[in-house]
Amino acid sequence: QVQLQESGPGLVKASETLSLTCSVSGGSISSHYWSWIRQPPGKGLEYIGYMYSSGSTNYNPSLKSRVTISLDTSKNQFSLKLSSVTAADTAVYYCARKENWNPDWWFDPWGQGILVTVSS
Amino acid sequence: QSVLTQPPSVSGAPGQRVTISCTGSSSNIGAGYDVHWYQHLPGTAPKLLIYGNYNRPSGVPDRFSGSKSGTSASLAITGLQAEDEADYYCQSYDSSLSSWVFGGGTKLTVL
Repeated sequence: QVQLQESGPGLVKASETLSLTCSVSGGSISSHYWSWIRQPPGKGLEYIGYMYSSGSTNYNPSLKSRVTISLDTSKNQFSLKLSSVTAADTAVYYCARKENWNPDWWFDPWGQGILVTVSS
Repeated sequence: QSVLTQPPSVSGAPGQRVTISCTGSSSNIGAGYDVHWYQHLPGTAPKLLIYGNYNRPSGVPDRFSGSKSGTSASLAITGLQAEDEADYYCQSYDSSLSSWVFGGGTKLTVL
């Protein structure tokens, strides 16, 4: 079955760009919608955005100005870049697959998450 | 504050039944968007538990069931087992925010 694994720096300085990668095994990223979701400490989950294999994207309007999601089909990976980070961006970041663009669709499967701390 | 409201915690003894509520508004659950539920053990990948309000993915025991009415949804767990101790999250879509939204999560403790 499809498995996802996040990787990247666990510590990022304030005002810099957070960069994470999600490696996908057991399936190709040439289809479906590849997503990022985060959870700040002690808070609920927050949708960040997704990218489809065609290149189309959907970003949370509250983060849109700072987010870029991209796919690397040659490596079967996709990435998240979040610019101008602040302490409020400290969170566990999850990658997940969404099979359909439909608003009623769900996220499955998920990676186990990676904690990223923004330091001053 | 999360867009979807869940109780922070629920508890029950082994064998008992518990329910977890997920309350939204007219722009998400009340607008007719489906609700999905995830089970999360810290340090592991969140697992899809219920999709499309009441459907169970293959492998999820029928002890888990979902329902939806009006602006709310519920997850019911019967025959509680120690392995059910986890965090549970609901998810839907919000047309006002143009984004997928989640509940704040509910920690289930099996006494």
